[in-house]
Amino acid sequence: QQQVKQSPQSLIVQKGGISIINCAYENTAFDYFPWYQQFPGKGPALLIAIRPDVSEKKEGRFTISFNKSAKQFSLHIMDSQPGDSATYFCAASRGGATNKLIFGTGTLLAVQP
Amino acid sequence: DAGITQSPRHKVTETGTPVTLRCHQTENHRYMYWYRQDPGHGLRLIHYSYGVKDTDKGEVSDGYSVSRSKTEDFLLTLESATSSQTSVYFCASTSSGSSTDTQYFGPGTRLTVL
Repeated sequence: QQQVKQSPQSLIVQKGGISIINCAYENTAFDYFPWYQQFPGKGPALLIAIRPDVSEKKEGRFTISFNKSAKQFSLHIMDSQPGDSATYFCAASRGGATNKLIFGTGTLLAVQP
Repeated sequence: DAGITQSPRHKVTETGTPVTLRCHQTENHRYMYWYRQDPGHGLRLIHYSYGVKDTDKGEVSDGYSVSRSKTEDFLLTLESATSSQTSVYFCASTSSGSSTDTQYFGPGTRLTVL
């Protein structure tokens, strides 16, 4: 049972374009939604995160849009650059004292020069 | 990388042998986690620890055990390795159990079970 569904599996974008990755969740107990970025041969690293009481969060070229009623959230990368080429994972964390993350299946982004 | 190291970085072993992976962190983080990463599955939690000698199961814990005798070290043991345990294993740590605390990941261990 995949509690966090992520799409697309892979994405090719031209330099300067907008990359959009979508995630959907089922459990309304989730209270924090981070996105992680992973380069080949490296561990994932936190990119940006959002709480469900906020509809949008922007950090530089990266924006999370959050739709609580639809139980969906998405990552937008504006002005995509070749250096953004990586695998992106959405995740969800449920409130409590353990901070256990449920990850989506990942999106491999390739930004072509 | 918040001072998280994993050893070994690569390992090839045979079916039926025990394997131990080590995670070491220098951040004095209380919480530590072991994940496995497989194509089409993302990262899945194997076990986690919320303090020295305090551990609990994640979603894919069968065939794995963990131990934490010191704050800085978290060991993952495959009691009798199987080919289905071929994967990339990541360790992570965070300072508290709050959902807003960032989990910092190590560089991973690529394990191949023949």
